[in-house]
Amino acid sequence: QKEVEQNSGPLSVPEGAIASLNCTYSDRGSQSFFWYRQYSGKSPELIMSIYSNGDKEDGRFTAQLNKASQYVSLLIRDSQPSDSATYLCAVIVSGSNYKLTFGKGTLLTVNP
Amino acid sequence: EAGVAQSPRYKIIEKRQSVAFWCNPISGHATLYWYQQILGQGPKLLIQFQNNGVVDDSQLPKDRFSAERLKGVDSTLKIQPAKLEDSAVYLCASSLSGSGTGELFFGEGSRLTVL
Repeated sequence: QKEVEQNSGPLSVPEGAIASLNCTYSDRGSQSFFWYRQYSGKSPELIMSIYSNGDKEDGRFTAQLNKASQYVSLLIRDSQPSDSATYLCAVIVSGSNYKLTFGKGTLLTVNP
Repeated sequence: EAGVAQSPRYKIIEKRQSVAFWCNPISGHATLYWYQQILGQGPKLLIQFQNNGVVDDSQLPKDRFSAERLKGVDSTLKIQPAKLEDSAVYLCASSLSGSGTGELFFGEGSRLTVL
């Protein structure tokens, strides 16, 4: 079983809609969770981090964490064409020397 | 503030040849990472340095890959001999101290094509 799993997509939403991106992880020792955005041909950049159960909001982005279900999600409200990118879920497992493990990413396309 | 510098940006080689990539992290960042990203996949950690010591190299194919970080600053990743499956983007990243915050700063990457 892969450590971090994401639906590779592509996920296509109309402009202004809510995009929902999902991620599951296998190690219950995972302690920290992150969403990176990667535009085509570019490097990943951190957009959200979440460490405890519940929701964390930052502008149009909301990260949700459910440790019991080993599930983390990212909601993007009022999606814009500029949000079109691959979204990478990443986790740090406790005791791993802060090793950041990435999923394979979900490609999001926002259609004008 | 200068970002993570990598070179070369692109490299094309024949299989069984060797190649080296260079990375200079953000000034003051103690931790340096090399990730391999194959097309359509997420980045895979190859090696993680804390200053000039190796923290994790469990996924580094040591029969052909080597990396060093002399003096705890810049780093070199070498592949010798290269295989077709090594075609990927090699991403260097740095962070202040470990990645407890999860915030890694990535360079633009070095794209390797092995023919």
